[in-house]
Amino acid sequence: GAVVSQHPSRVICKSGTSVKIECRSLDFQATTMFWYRQFPKKSLMLMATSNEGSKATYEQGVEKDKFLINHASLTLSTLTVTSAHPEDSSFYICSARDWAGASDTQYFGPGTRLTVL
Amino acid sequence: TQLLEQSPQFLSIQEGENLTVYCNSSSVFSSLQWYRQEPGEGPVLLVTVVTGGEVKKLKRLTFQFGDARKDSSLHITAAQPGDTGLYLCAGGRTNAGKSTFGDGTTLTVKP
Repeated sequence: GAVVSQHPSRVICKSGTSVKIECRSLDFQATTMFWYRQFPKKSLMLMATSNEGSKATYEQGVEKDKFLINHASLTLSTLTVTSAHPEDSSFYICSARDWAGASDTQYFGPGTRLTVL
Repeated sequence: TQLLEQSPQFLSIQEGENLTVYCNSSSVFSSLQWYRQEPGEGPVLLVTVVTGGEVKKLKRLTFQFGDARKDSSLHITAAQPGDTGLYLCAGGRTNAGKSTFGDGTTLTVKP
């Protein structure tokens, strides 16, 4: 199956700093990637849709100036959490859409655990 | 808003028992995916179903897509502790943007 990597897997930072998370599709090109946030024992909460070569589409209630998304190539999207605060601590997961075949399937990265002190 | 309702939300069973997880919607989807997620990891794709009435089997797991492509079920036979995890269904629509995710079913299989 398609492989999506995420880096870093864990990050601890001080309040007020910015953190960048990378999401890469390793064996396919992804014009569309998604960024999710997940709280313990809960389902995925979509934050934004990242489109290669254009601006990301943010879900209602997600601050675009705080969660900066860049999708500069067909295999890489980045999420930057700016001026992070403890309430931003969470598990962030990206996915990449593979349009191959008749189905629309998302493949997920392994996630990034962000802890803001 | 297209909602996907998953049930049950939590399920705790003994090893060897059978179980079924349901994913229901009032909307039609062009495809539906089932994922399993373990703590601290990303969801892993189990199956994609695209045809109404389709049944797919993956070892002890049987997936069915409803005839009208509005619902799906996941049946596990003789559950094992290794089946423990969060099961998510997701519905997609051709040429649409984001997929719709269910709220998930947390399965615990006790040895």
